[in-house]
Amino acid sequence: EVQLVESGGGLVQPGGSLRLSCEASGFIFRNYWMTWVRQAPGKGLEWVANIKQDGSEKKFVDSVKGRFTISRDNAKNTLYLQMNSLRADDTAVYYCAKYNGHYSEFVPDYWGQGTLVTVSS
Amino acid sequence: QPVLTQSSSASASLGSSVKLTCTLTNGDKNYMIAWHQQQAGKAPRYVMKLEGSGRYTKGSGIPDRFSGSTSGADRYLTISNLQSEDEAEYYCESWDNSAYVVFGGGTKLTVL
Repeated sequence: EVQLVESGGGLVQPGGSLRLSCEASGFIFRNYWMTWVRQAPGKGLEWVANIKQDGSEKKFVDSVKGRFTISRDNAKNTLYLQMNSLRADDTAVYYCAKYNGHYSEFVPDYWGQGTLVTVSS
Repeated sequence: QPVLTQSSSASASLGSSVKLTCTLTNGDKNYMIAWHQQQAGKAPRYVMKLEGSGRYTKGSGIPDRFSGSTSGADRYLTISNLQSEDEAEYYCESWDNSAYVVFGGGTKLTVL
């Protein structure tokens, strides 16, 4: 059974940093692109970042470029999102998801339960 | 990057059918999309991927009542024999050749 368990969320002041983790199990983690998607309170889904199987390719939505970094540790089956210079509009539930593994398809076929990040003074 | 447009809301009666629309603009009309369901207070759930040809592949455990179809730039999710548990927000999602991903704004489906 595929499981994705996010952690690391919490309350942080504007300008602060936070690192989210997503522990994966039930599939061969190193074989799949992975992604972070967020959802601000009462809003829709927003893609944040992608990372290739070996970490050699990373993509970010424009609003987080230069502030967020995505990484992975294939030995630990864990995905990370390092968030720096946090702003109030980064407040959201952050979901990690696994892509389906088909060439050139970015279809998240499994989602985690999410972790809440609140940026506030 | 593609832009995905969805109606903000839809409603249909229990046991009836509903067809949700996701319209692709600023991109190749042959783009594949994915549909995701999000029930209130829960994480999203993958429903299906839908090719420009109209071929679709559903996720694990998605009932037969869910189907997909295509017409030009429009991508549809049809739910037949609506059940109360189908009440949810439905998001379409696509991507470009550079792996930039976009989501539609979501359609809130109410089952009457």
